Amino acid sequence: SQTIHQWPATLVQPVGSPLSLECTVEGTSNPNLYWYRQAAGRGLQLLFYSVGIGQISSEVPQNLSASRPQDRQFILSSKKLLLSDSGFYLCAWSVVPAGVGFYNEQFFGPGTRLTVL
Amino acid sequence: QKEVEQNSGPLSVPEGAIASLNCTYSDRVSQSFFWYRQYSGKSPELIMSIYSNGDKEDGRFTAQLNKASQYVSLLIRDSQPSDSATYLCAVSVSGSARQLTFGSGTQLTVLP
Repeated sequence: SQTIHQWPATLVQPVGSPLSLECTVEGTSNPNLYWYRQAAGRGLQLLFYSVGIGQISSEVPQNLSASRPQDRQFILSSKKLLLSDSGFYLCAWSVVPAGVGFYNEQFFGPGTRLTVL
Repeated sequence: QKEVEQNSGPLSVPEGAIASLNCTYSDRVSQSFFWYRQYSGKSPELIMSIYSNGDKEDGRFTAQLNKASQYVSLLIRDSQPSDSATYLCAVSVSGSARQLTFGSGTQLTVLP
């Protein structure tokens, strides 16, 4: 069965410090990978998605970046954190659909709760 | 801009009642629809997927889709206190990455 890991689980960082969050998926090959952020009491905002190694698409302009150095590894980074970067960061995966099917069930990791002070 | 709208609640129902959660979406080409349950402090958990008009039942959960009216709903029968959570509606359009657009969620409380 598939498993998705994220670490760290919680993180407190000062403004202006760098950030690196990691996500790995087990039990599947060539998944689509996604980074979401959830601000307190809000819905999920898609930040980045990737359909393959080295292929990153950004949904919103921000001081964050993402990389996919390996098939099942997705990294979220920042050079200098802002207060507004605080939130719950979620990594998700889905199976790459074959053919023209509609389906895109996404499965989430446990998340990283980031507080920027 | 694609939008997914949900009543934020909170919605309170007594134990054993039917909880009804609603969601509307703006993009007519949307093809896949999902309900996620999120407990406080936890990540979302997929509980229902629906792709065709009509009803889909899974245990105590029933998802209903009406593409002509652009709404999708989730019914929870025999509600239990353990169903108390935030329920997120998500919608997907076609494309290689099949991105999801999420609503802001409805907070459900089931009162014992």
